[in-house]
Amino acid sequence: DTEVTQTPKHLVMGMTNKKSLKCEQHMGHRAMYWYKQKAKKPPELMFVYSYEKLSINESVPSRFSPECPNSSLLNLHLHALQPEDSALYLCASSQMDRGRTEAFFGQGTRLTVV
Amino acid sequence: EDQVTQSPEALRLQEGESSSLNCSYTVSGLRGLFWYRQDPGKGPEFLFTLYSAGEEKEKERLKATLTKKESFLHITAPKPEDSATYLCAVQGGGGSNYKLTFGKGTLLTVNP
Repeated sequence: DTEVTQTPKHLVMGMTNKKSLKCEQHMGHRAMYWYKQKAKKPPELMFVYSYEKLSINESVPSRFSPECPNSSLLNLHLHALQPEDSALYLCASSQMDRGRTEAFFGQGTRLTVV
Repeated sequence: EDQVTQSPEALRLQEGESSSLNCSYTVSGLRGLFWYRQDPGKGPEFLFTLYSAGEEKEKERLKATLTKKESFLHITAPKPEDSATYLCAVQGGGGSNYKLTFGKGTLLTVNP
């Protein structure tokens, strides 16, 4: 099973709203990622968690707040977003063993900020 | 800083017309090179991992190869269902902590 599950699939939120994106994997992966993808662009890394600790923050604005409650779950809390934050948000996970580091992606959450 | 350049940006093929996609990269200590397929509005689907120069992987009509500077994704006798964006990504070992650096992708269209 190489499945990463993201919810919701679609989200429309106002600039004053607070919402959360959720991601779950049951592959025993110890690294989890959030990527942002704009139309016709490649995914851009936002955050990396390794062994449930934040290891990379790619200078993401504080209106995006990641959380890793346990080794299977990853959340992205959203607050006071701007219309330019509208994008496909992708969660991924991977092993951290040499020779087994391919990342598996979820189907994404399509976020629209109005 | 790791860099990935894919060419061409877009490729149109007739069904059955074989071709190759290119991925050139610079990375500090290659930990892995990855190929993904992405359909519109969906997450990238993992295809292959290559770890060292000379390595080859195959899956159905796709074959990925790796040299010290580039990777090729060969598509043999493609079908319309192979139409998608193909993304190449590298993972460096220079303290990058499993970060993937993606190329801009090649949009492949296979006409029946």
